[in-house]
Amino acid sequence: DIQMTQSPSSLSAFVGDRVTITCRASQGILNHLAWYQQRPGKPPKVLIYGASHLQSGAPSRFSGGGYGADFTLTISSLQPEDVATYYCQQYGSGPKTFGQGTKVQI
Amino acid sequence: EVQVLESGGGLVQPGGSLRLSCEASGFTFSNYGMTWVRQAPGKGLEWVSSISGSGDITEYADSVKGRFTLSRDNSKNTVDLQMNSLRAEDTAVYYCATIRAVVVTDATNYWGQGTLVTVSS
Repeated sequence: DIQMTQSPSSLSAFVGDRVTITCRASQGILNHLAWYQQRPGKPPKVLIYGASHLQSGAPSRFSGGGYGADFTLTISSLQPEDVATYYCQQYGSGPKTFGQGTKVQI
Repeated sequence: EVQVLESGGGLVQPGGSLRLSCEASGFTFSNYGMTWVRQAPGKGLEWVSSISGSGDITEYADSVKGRFTLSRDNSKNTVDLQMNSLRAEDTAVYYCATIRAVVVTDATNYWGQGTLVTVSS
């Protein structure tokens, strides 16, 4: 199975900061990667699919990049409402594994 | 407007069975795959199972293979997750989500609010 490793596991930043979360796959997954935001007590929301495509309705301060095995999620200017846990997921053939999550705090 | 609604969660004893149902609306159901993802209390997300739009392809996590069965009824816009031989470690909120394409190898799109399954004596 493909393992997904996110870093860092948690971070704290100031409002307005640029924040980057990384996700590494144990083998190449082309661009079959999605990023999710999950606030406490809520279901996950899709932010990015296809590694770099912004989900309809997601704020434009979120962007995704990468291809193959290394991926990033960037928040260009951190806002108070971005406090959440962020997950990457690969969705190629076989088990569609998630990263362990990155908790973002202000 | 797309809506995804899970039902069927509850308390079940170890070794027991439970059937979760997910009803979707607002789109042509048979054109899209569906998936289940779960989240144990205080833990991260775990993919459980996916099914293609026609229902001819299903995939399962190793942790549930042989115990869970995913099926769909395109005439009723529903997918059902039959869970047998339940264990304490199956305790989680179970989310149903649409997949962006008819196949199972694409990203999710719309998610339900989840249904809680508790396996305990």
